[in-house]
Amino acid sequence: GQNIDQPTEMTATEGAIVQINCTYQTSGFNGLFWYQQHAGEAPTFLSYNVLDGLEEKGRFSSFLSRSKGYSYLLLKELQMKDSASYLCAPQDSNYQLIWGAGTKLIIKP
Amino acid sequence: ETGVTQTPRHLVMGMTNKKSLKCEQHLGHNAMYWYKQSAKKPLELMFVYSLEERVENNSVPSRFSPECPNSSHLFLHLHTLQPEDSALYLCASSQDWKYSGANVLTFGAGSRLTVL
Repeated sequence: GQNIDQPTEMTATEGAIVQINCTYQTSGFNGLFWYQQHAGEAPTFLSYNVLDGLEEKGRFSSFLSRSKGYSYLLLKELQMKDSASYLCAPQDSNYQLIWGAGTKLIIKP
Repeated sequence: ETGVTQTPRHLVMGMTNKKSLKCEQHLGHNAMYWYKQSAKKPLELMFVYSLEERVENNSVPSRFSPECPNSSHLFLHLHTLQPEDSALYLCASSQDWKYSGANVLTFGAGSRLTVL
């Protein structure tokens, strides 16, 4: 079956760096998305990786290893507004998104 | 307005009521989606419409009935719901359905449904 595994909750300190891991098993693979969802708001697109390696976008970076079925989202210089849930979602061979339950990130001053 | 707009934002209904959720997108996208989001669970895809034609129906109970009158509007009609249907219902749109690449979804803020 298809499965996504990411930590339920993480806590980090303002100004620090945090890495949110995601491991996946899908029927085929056509890229992986990360979305951010603040409480009570819509999920918003953060990143898309289809090839192995690191994609950097400002304070946020996303890494993919297709052979290991593994991705991570790296957040640097954490700000209070980064407190949110982060959703990992690979696409299977049918371009169906397989969603993780999300990682709730709590930033403390 | 821009983006994806959902109404109502909050809805409380009894098990015998009939209500509808509305979604409107102003992005010129061709695909629209309904998702169910329950606490601490992954997003569940319910329905997909591509150019007003339903293309996915993921074993959703018949008490949920979608309608897509045009490419900008999507409805979810609700009747005789159960308390376990209480959840956040998210509408989303994307440029195309099953696009071979980064098919980015734009979500609405959701309709929080409580079934008593």
